[in-house]
Amino acid sequence: QKEVEQNSGPLSVPEGAIASLNCTYSDRGSQSFFWYRQYSGKSPELIMSIYSNGDKEDGRFTAQLNKASQYVSLLIRDSQPSDSATYLCAVTENSGNTPLVFGKGTRLSVIA
Amino acid sequence: DTEVTQTPKHLVMGMTNKKSLKCEQHMGHRAMYWYKQKAKKPPELMFVYSYEKLSINESVPSRFSPECPNSSLLNLHLHALQPEDSALYLCASSLWVQETQYFGPGTRLLVL
Repeated sequence: QKEVEQNSGPLSVPEGAIASLNCTYSDRGSQSFFWYRQYSGKSPELIMSIYSNGDKEDGRFTAQLNKASQYVSLLIRDSQPSDSATYLCAVTENSGNTPLVFGKGTRLSVIA
Repeated sequence: DTEVTQTPKHLVMGMTNKKSLKCEQHMGHRAMYWYKQKAKKPPELMFVYSYEKLSINESVPSRFSPECPNSSLLNLHLHALQPEDSALYLCASSLWVQETQYFGPGTRLLVL
């Protein structure tokens, strides 16, 4: 059974700080990694995808992948109250016919 | 365009009713999904359709019946539901099963 683990939080950070969200996964064959943001009562929205080791930056968001250590993280710079949401990590492997496996999500609260 | 639409937005039904949820995408995606999400929990996979064929059924009770009439449409037929089935029902689609999933806005279902 493939597992994706996230700290459920809540993770509280002050406005303007860096929020660091972490995710570990059990399947070494995993190849594709995604971060979704979900506001309360809304559906998940894709923020970033990452496929190779290293960092990938998009605006205030940076995804970091370390396949050797089997973790993927999301950094949010200059955190804003509007970033307060649940962040879902999702992982898949490139072989077979299995869909994304989601973690349970980390609730982020940015305090103004 | 990465839009997945779902109707209705809200649905209230009694335990003896029959209703259907509808999902539509026009992105040429060949994989479509139904998820159930309870409050403060991650999305829970129910069904996966790949190339209009049911490829995964996550042991969902038979009172939920999926249907994929064509590559753009996905229905979820509901019959004799229980109050514990009240949840947010999310539809998603992806180019194929292991690709990035895009979610619709969801249908908020209340079973009385």
